[in-house]
Amino acid sequence: QKEVEQNSGPLSVPEGAIASLNCTYSDRGSQSFFWYRQYSGKSPELIMSIYSNGDKEDGRFTAQLNKASQYVSLLIRDSQPSDSATYLCAVWGGGGADGLTFGKGTHLIIQP
Amino acid sequence: GAGVSQSPSNKVTEKGKDVELRCDPISGHTALYWYRQSLGQGLEFLIYFQGNSAPDKSGLPSDRFSAERTGGSVSTLTIQRTQQEDSAVYLCASSLAGYTGAEAFFGQGTRLTVV
Repeated sequence: QKEVEQNSGPLSVPEGAIASLNCTYSDRGSQSFFWYRQYSGKSPELIMSIYSNGDKEDGRFTAQLNKASQYVSLLIRDSQPSDSATYLCAVWGGGGADGLTFGKGTHLIIQP
Repeated sequence: GAGVSQSPSNKVTEKGKDVELRCDPISGHTALYWYRQSLGQGLEFLIYFQGNSAPDKSGLPSDRFSAERTGGSVSTLTIQRTQQEDSAVYLCASSLAGYTGAEAFFGQGTRLTVV
């Protein structure tokens, strides 16, 4: 059974600083990796996807993937109070029968 | 449609009744997922469809749960003889092609309350 591990937090970061969110996964066959943001009472919203080793940048967000270490991270630069949410890491095993596997999420708090 | 649509948004039912939840995926999306999220908890995988087929139904919590997808589009999740522990938000997501791990988009969810 594939597992995706995240620190539940809360992770508290001052406004304007860099927030760093981490995720590890168990299945070496995993091929696709996603970060979702979920505000309280709302559905998860896709914010980043990454498929190959290295960094992928989109605005204030950077996703980093290291398949050898089975590690995915999300950096949020110039953190804003509106970034306060739960961030979910999701992994797709590639042809797997169980779809996307989600971590339990990290609760991020940006302090003004 | 423009996004994944789920209905109803909210459902209150009496213990022991059957309920049916509906998911209408983004047009052209062949992969469809059902998840369950209890209050303050993470996402629990229920079932995944590629087209009309479900490669793995082992995520369904019990035999009271069933799901189908017809015409490669709309999916229904049925819970028979509902129990209080079934109370949760049921989320549906769809993506272009599951096998390539395409990005999945969620509907707004159905909040089920069993009283």
